[in-house]
Amino acid sequence: SYELTQPPSVSVSPGQTATITCSGQELGYKYVCWYQQKAGQAPVLVIYQNTKRPSGIPERFSGSNSGDTATLAISGTQAIDEADYYCQAWDSSTAVVFGGGTKLTVL
Amino acid sequence: QVHLQESGPRLVKPSQTLSLTCTVSGGSISSEGYYWSWIRHHPGKGPEWIGYIHYRGGTYYNSSLKSRLSISIDTSKDQFSLKLQSVTAADTAVYYCVRMGSGYPLLGAMDVWGQGTTVTVSS
Repeated sequence: SYELTQPPSVSVSPGQTATITCSGQELGYKYVCWYQQKAGQAPVLVIYQNTKRPSGIPERFSGSNSGDTATLAISGTQAIDEADYYCQAWDSSTAVVFGGGTKLTVL
Repeated sequence: QVHLQESGPRLVKPSQTLSLTCTVSGGSISSEGYYWSWIRHHPGKGPEWIGYIHYRGGTYYNSSLKSRLSISIDTSKDQFSLKLQSVTAADTAVYYCVRMGSGYPLLGAMDVWGQGTTVTVSS
């Protein structure tokens, strides 16, 4: 079965850029989304189709996807960005797969 | 603005059937461009996709759950439902109903989530 691998945790200082990776075989050929989940809340879509931001998501969130790795970058990280982040891939053969999640800590 | 709400028993006995319903409000479940999905989340792990259904009735299930799973839709009530048979403690999780794009530009993206409901399997 297809698997997506994320680092369990990432730490960043306020105002710096946080980078969270998601790795999978030939991931660049799939559509990748990213979700933010805060404690006690449902996940929120922050990136879709590899690079697009839904309405209402700040411009500091950006995404990329190439080769075997997709990346979520959060520039000018703020305390409110502290959350769990999950990548998710979709294609017609593997359907929906989620990564194990990355806990972002803003120190 | 579309809103999803899960309902159903929060405690299920082992070997019985877990049943949840999702009610869609603020929009029609028969809108083109979407699949209606179920996701579950075990604490400390990534979310797990369960399956989805199109308003015309086509379904696609996670192969690991397929033998126990049924997802149905009632367009007259703007509801879709999940039934998972022969449950064990491993099926204890937070269950979400979710709207997922079925075509450009939201293909494969889950843009609307219910609040989630915790289902516990225990005698």
